[in-house]
Amino acid sequence: GAVVSQHPSWVICKSGTSVKIECRSLDFQATTMFWYRQFPKQSLMLMATSNEGSKATYEQGVEKDKFLINHASLTLSTLTVTSAHPEDSSFYICSAGTSASSSYNEQFFGPGTRLTVL
Amino acid sequence: SQKIEQNSEALNIQEGKTATLTCNYTNYSPAYLQWYRQDPGRGPVFLLLIRENEKEKRKERLKVTFDTTLKQSLFHITASQPADSATYLCALDTGGFKTIFGAGTRLFVKA
Repeated sequence: GAVVSQHPSWVICKSGTSVKIECRSLDFQATTMFWYRQFPKQSLMLMATSNEGSKATYEQGVEKDKFLINHASLTLSTLTVTSAHPEDSSFYICSAGTSASSSYNEQFFGPGTRLTVL
Repeated sequence: SQKIEQNSEALNIQEGKTATLTCNYTNYSPAYLQWYRQDPGRGPVFLLLIRENEKEKRKERLKVTFDTTLKQSLFHITASQPADSATYLCALDTGGFKTIFGAGTRLFVKA
């Protein structure tokens, strides 16, 4: 159980285009989803936290107009990188949390999406 | 400032030996600490969680200790195998259901 999928697993796009990444919880309802970015040999950096049906909460330094997050249902969240540039090339990972009533932040991670912007 | 430090140098050990990885943190008072495994090009996989009132946690060949006085956690893999080769991430709860990750330590187990 507790499987999270991401699509696509990798994407190459031209500079200036927008890319949408999907994150799905396959066998549970995720009240909260998290989006991370990871550069090579660096830690996962939290970009934003999203709760179903409400606006995402972005971390300091993350442009909300550039990284659009939609959490339309309890099983799907999307991250859209708008007007992508080469510096946006990174590994994007989502995770899904099971319940706000849990005593700790239990997260299940997706396999990640490798974005390369040419 | 708040920091999580893991040894950035890779750890190379011989198969069958015990691997010990270190996670140090400053300016945090986490209620719990987690360890994850990450393989290249993949998302992290949860391994163990230890709470602030627990000194030690075990799961099969894995053992985690948590010293809130030293602000340190040690992660041990006993009888290591080449399949244990991966990057291991330490993660702290910062409250409000937000988790902060260390950069990870790369482990290589040689046959």
